[in-house]
Amino acid sequence: QKEVEQDPGPLSVPEGAIVSLNCTYSNSAFQYFMWYRQYSRKGPELLMYTYSSGNKEDGRFTAQVDKSSKYISLFIRDSQPSDSATYLCAMTQPTGANNLFFGTGTRLTIIP
Amino acid sequence: DAGVTQSPTHLIKTRGQHVTLRCSPISGHKSVSWYQQVLGQGPQFIFQYYEKEERGRGNFPDRFSARQFPNYSSELNVNALLLGDSALYLCASSLAPTDTQYFGPGTRLTVL
Repeated sequence: QKEVEQDPGPLSVPEGAIVSLNCTYSNSAFQYFMWYRQYSRKGPELLMYTYSSGNKEDGRFTAQVDKSSKYISLFIRDSQPSDSATYLCAMTQPTGANNLFFGTGTRLTIIP
Repeated sequence: DAGVTQSPTHLIKTRGQHVTLRCSPISGHKSVSWYQQVLGQGPQFIFQYYEKEERGRGNFPDRFSARQFPNYSSELNVNALLLGDSALYLCASSLAPTDTQYFGPGTRLTVL
């Protein structure tokens, strides 16, 4: 079993829709959770960073962490064609090398 | 401020050859991490360096090595290239090992 599971999609939604992206994980030691956006043939760009359980909002993006269920989500409101990209969840534990554990990424397309 | 820079952008090698990839971190960042991203997968951790010392190593063979220089830039070396080494190699920098990691655009390596 992989430490981080993410539905690879692809996911296509119409412009303006609310998008929900999710990851599950198995390592209860993970405490820092991130969402990265990656455009084709580019490096990942940090979107959201959360610590432990709870919600965090930044503009049209909301990140949720439920440590009891080992489940994290990213919501995108009023989706735009420019949001079309691959979204990677990542997480780490606060010890040692802080290496990030990534999901496989969900490929999202917003249809105008 | 410039972000993380990597060189070269693209590289084509043949099996058995050796390759060196380079990374310059964001100014002020002292930690550099390397990741391998195979097509359709999330990035996988290879190494982390901080203050020129190796802080962590992922599950990669000894053909992979790295080092960090006094100016905090870093090199990733891969010997005896295999077809399976074809991937996007990503460098990420952070202020310190446990801080947020920011990624460069990557070097796309193709092994023929």
